[in-house]
Amino acid sequence: LAKTTQPISMDSYEGQEVNITCSHNNIATNDYITWYQQFPSQGPRFIIQGYKTKVKNEVASLFIPADRKSSTLSLPRVSLSDTAVYYCLVGENPNKLIFGAGTRLAVHP
Amino acid sequence: GAVVSQHPSWVICKSGTSVKIECRSLDFQATTMFWYRQFPKQSLMLMATSNEGSKATYEQGVEKDKFLINHASLTLSTLTVTSAHPEDSSFYICSAGGSVAYNEQFFGPGTRLTVL
Repeated sequence: LAKTTQPISMDSYEGQEVNITCSHNNIATNDYITWYQQFPSQGPRFIIQGYKTKVKNEVASLFIPADRKSSTLSLPRVSLSDTAVYYCLVGENPNKLIFGAGTRLAVHP
Repeated sequence: GAVVSQHPSWVICKSGTSVKIECRSLDFQATTMFWYRQFPKQSLMLMATSNEGSKATYEQGVEKDKFLINHASLTLSTLTVTSAHPEDSSFYICSAGGSVAYNEQFFGPGTRLTVL
């Protein structure tokens, strides 16, 4: 299973765009890249998933370069409610996912 | 997306007793369910993978006799913490996957276990 590396923490302010980059150098051909959000004392919530190029939904965008060795989650115009831990995972869905440390995002007023 | 529920949402028990946690996929059939444990300020740690109708596969270091997992149907998996001790106090989260309709795992809300 591909290991991922993310920044431990990030700080931002309301209304700014936040980009969280994840490295996954050993990603396999069949692996998808999935991002989850977790609030304290809650289960993770699916944000976005992609295989290559760019994916966008109503919540976020996911940018994946051609070599797929990294990915960037982009959150447009964050608010205080986006303060959470964000996990980047790679794996062949829907098989088991190994969570890394995640990125603790703090959004300030 | 699909909905996964857990029951109870929190439980307090005495040391030495057993506690059962239920995980249900409410609107799809999950061929595979996963159980995670999360300690404060830490990431989720995968404990085991259960497939409907077969024995669970435990991750290294997880005692299968202590954490009993049953996946008797496509919508229900249970985790029983036997002879619980204070060090078993944690946040237990299940997820469901394996549906052909979805290529992601859906997580339950978690169960907070406190062992006194």
